[in-house]
Amino acid sequence: AQKVTQAQTEISVVEKEDVTLDCVYETRDTTYYLFWYKQPPSGELVFLIRRNSFDEQNEISGRYSWNFQKSTSSFNFTITASQVVDSAVYFCAFGSARQLTFGSGTQLTVLP
Amino acid sequence: GAGVSQSPSNKVTEKGKDVELRCDPISGHTALYWYRQSLGQGLEFLIYFQGNSAPDKSGLPSDRFSAERTGGSVSTLTIQRTQQEDSAVYLCASSLNIRDTQYFGPGTRLTVL
Repeated sequence: AQKVTQAQTEISVVEKEDVTLDCVYETRDTTYYLFWYKQPPSGELVFLIRRNSFDEQNEISGRYSWNFQKSTSSFNFTITASQVVDSAVYFCAFGSARQLTFGSGTQLTVLP
Repeated sequence: GAGVSQSPSNKVTEKGKDVELRCDPISGHTALYWYRQSLGQGLEFLIYFQGNSAPDKSGLPSDRFSAERTGGSVSTLTIQRTQQEDSAVYLCASSLNIRDTQYFGPGTRLTVL
């Protein structure tokens, strides 16, 4: 069975600080997919990124960047120069054949 | 284009009543999923539909829960004889095919009094 661990329950930073959200997964599958979703106070889960297990290239999208390392089974998410609008719960998720297995989420609060 | 839509957005019911929650997936998406988000359990998979294949019901917590998908599009999640522990946000997602990215609807917040 798959397992996703987000050890950081809550993080609070001051605007413009960089912040990294950790995600560690466990699986015996050789082909899988990793995701990050954002859940703002409005409640809707917003897709941020998907990585395939065979593609360990890191990715940068604006202020967001993701570091995928199979050797440590980690898929960490960094927000550079955080903004108040980044405040949300962030979920890491694992997908193989069908459903997603989610981590417990990290509540990020960015203070002005 | 239009995203996943769910109705109602909020539902308050009394213990023992049946409820139906509706999901309209993104047009053209063949896969549809139901998840439940509750304080104690986080985000849990409930059921999955892919095309005309038999649904994967492995996540349904009890036989009071059922779901159907008509015409390969709209899906209804039914909870019979609701209990207080059924109170949660029920999220629907759809994807183009299996293994494709899942896009989520806004959810239905169910409160069982």
